[in-house]
Amino acid sequence: SQELEQSPQSLIVQEGKNLTINCTSSKTLYGLYWYKQKYGEGLIFLMMLQKGGEEKSHEKITAKLDEKKQQSSLHITASQPSHAGIYLCGADLTDSWGKLQFGAGTQVVVTP
Amino acid sequence: DADVTQTPRNRITKTGKRIMLECSQTKGHDRMYWYRQDPGLGLRLIYYSFDVKDINKGEISDGYSVSRQAQAKFSLSLESAIPNQTALYFCATSGTERETQYFGPGTRLLVL
Repeated sequence: SQELEQSPQSLIVQEGKNLTINCTSSKTLYGLYWYKQKYGEGLIFLMMLQKGGEEKSHEKITAKLDEKKQQSSLHITASQPSHAGIYLCGADLTDSWGKLQFGAGTQVVVTP
Repeated sequence: DADVTQTPRNRITKTGKRIMLECSQTKGHDRMYWYRQDPGLGLRLIYYSFDVKDINKGEISDGYSVSRQAQAKFSLSLESAIPNQTALYFCATSGTERETQYFGPGTRLLVL
């Protein structure tokens, strides 16, 4: 069962356009991690969020955790071909230890 | 050199065969994890270990076993492989419960 819902499942964006991916939980997110995966390869850590209302940015990627700590968004500004891949959110859904639940992933395709 | 390595990277085996996937890390982390990834399902936790003497079942442990030979090594075994164990397998490590997990490059397993 998917305790974390990611949306959309996939998206196609023209190079230079912005995109947003959402990760939603019915439970409190004690820690929220965003990863990027190129097809068939390992996961690359992007960002970690813990506090309600927290926002972090790295280059053209911004991640936010809402005040209620039940939803996170990942926003890419002015997308580039290098942003193509699968984005996964992983979350700590308990307050005790670091066993992560993962969303199903969002496949991003960037077209010229 | 990669911090988390997995061997083999690709493996084809037949139904009923025993197979071992190996993971090594140089990050000095106590916590290690095994996941499998299937299309549309994200990553699911198979087993995890918080130190050499601690082994725990994850979400989908049936048909799998693990061995933590040392802090740096964590092996996953399929005692009698079956076709629905065909998947991409990832090993991950982390230092503390709120620290991100670092993933290996994955092992692609095909069971015929």
